[in-house]
Amino acid sequence: QVQLVESGGGVVQPGRSLRLSCAASGFTFSSYAMHWVRQAPGKGLEWVAFIWSDGSSEYYADSVKGRFTISRDNSKNTLSLQMDSLRTEDTAVYYCARMDLGGLDWFLDYWGEGNLVSVSS
Amino acid sequence: QLVLTQSPSASASLGASVRLTCTLSSGHSTYAIAWHQQQPEKSPRFLMKLNSDGSHRKGDGISDRFSGSSSGAERYLIISSLQSDDEADYYCQTWGTGVVVFGGGTKLTVL
Repeated sequence: QVQLVESGGGVVQPGRSLRLSCAASGFTFSSYAMHWVRQAPGKGLEWVAFIWSDGSSEYYADSVKGRFTISRDNSKNTLSLQMDSLRTEDTAVYYCARMDLGGLDWFLDYWGEGNLVSVSS
Repeated sequence: QLVLTQSPSASASLGASVRLTCTLSSGHSTYAIAWHQQQPEKSPRFLMKLNSDGSHRKGDGISDRFSGSSSGAERYLIISSLQSDDEADYYCQTWGTGVVVFGGGTKLTVL
């Protein structure tokens, strides 16, 4: 069965960096585009970033552009999110999510468990 | 600008049916959306992709009690025979060129 397991979260000071990882299993990871989505405490879902199946294309939400970098290692079935210059407003649970196979319809068909990132001094 | 609008809350009785609405912004009435359910303290779960013509494709293992329909710029999630574990937040999601958009979510209370 499809599994997505995030790791790497924790408490970090404003201005510092953190790297999240998402371990994928149960499907051919290299065939699927992937996304990161976050949810601030008590708030709704906010899309963060997208990467194509072969890593050839990336897109970011305006709120993280220039500070966050999405990447993937298809040989290790792993998705990553490098978060630099963190701000208090980046505090959220971060989810990795798989996008529908095919690439034309950007809906998310599987979600990870989520990993909490807390930015605080 | 691509925006999805959802009512913040809805309620219905156990065993009844409820229809949740997601409205696409002007100029985007032909867009498909997806519905996701988030039960308390859990990660979201994909329910279905819903097209502008009302056709839909459900996620793996999603009950027949969940269905979708469309009218103009409105996309609906219909839940029949409500159960207590249907109490959750429901989010609609769509996409444009290089962007994914979520609605603000509807909190469904089962009475």
